[in-house]
Amino acid sequence: GAGVSQSPSNKVTEKGKDVELRCDPISGHTALYWYRQSLGQGLEFLIYFQGNSAPDKSGLPSDRFSAERTGGSVSTLTIQRTQQEDSAVYLCASSLGGGRGTDTQYFGPGTRLTVL
Amino acid sequence: EDQVTQSPEALRLQEGESSSLNCSYTVSGLRGLFWYRQDPGKGPEFLFTLYSAGEEKEKERLKATLTKKESFLHITAPKPEDSATYLCAVQDPGTYKYIFGTGTRLKVLA
Repeated sequence: GAGVSQSPSNKVTEKGKDVELRCDPISGHTALYWYRQSLGQGLEFLIYFQGNSAPDKSGLPSDRFSAERTGGSVSTLTIQRTQQEDSAVYLCASSLGGGRGTDTQYFGPGTRLTVL
Repeated sequence: EDQVTQSPEALRLQEGESSSLNCSYTVSGLRGLFWYRQDPGKGPEFLFTLYSAGEEKEKERLKATLTKKESFLHITAPKPEDSATYLCAVQDPGTYKYIFGTGTRLKVLA
């Protein structure tokens, strides 16, 4: 079956521009996560969705970052007025969710964002 | 503060030279410890979930074990294709967040 997909795979933008990153989770997975991975760093949690709701946005680094999820499926992460420090790989993961005690996350290939 | 620490940061092995990677964690009420493999330019690939101390899981040349404070990923007779970064993570109790370590970069030489 299809795994988690993300688009674009690479995005180069100029400082100050807005960007949108897309994630298509595994069909039937109600939970969706966004992470950021900078060079040499671990994965940094950004936001978690259960269905279309985001009960945990605690990892969003500033108000320039926002995310939404529609139809319990596709999610978009938007970064406004991009800064050079936003350059990183943005990873999306999905899991069965539904409040299970332990829930394995499956990751997409990531979007590499470069802000010039 | 809940933390996950992996060691070593990098490891070079000759083909066939077995070794172990360590993941130590400080979290109360462990709900799951996860191992992932990440190849350059790709997302993490799920390997194992361990739930309780004493549990072991195996897949090909890999075996993961869990104690109350740490997990080991044992690699037996590794091959060059096992070269990757290995990540471990724990599920933050009371939330749905994963806390990831910074990984061990493994290079297996032919």
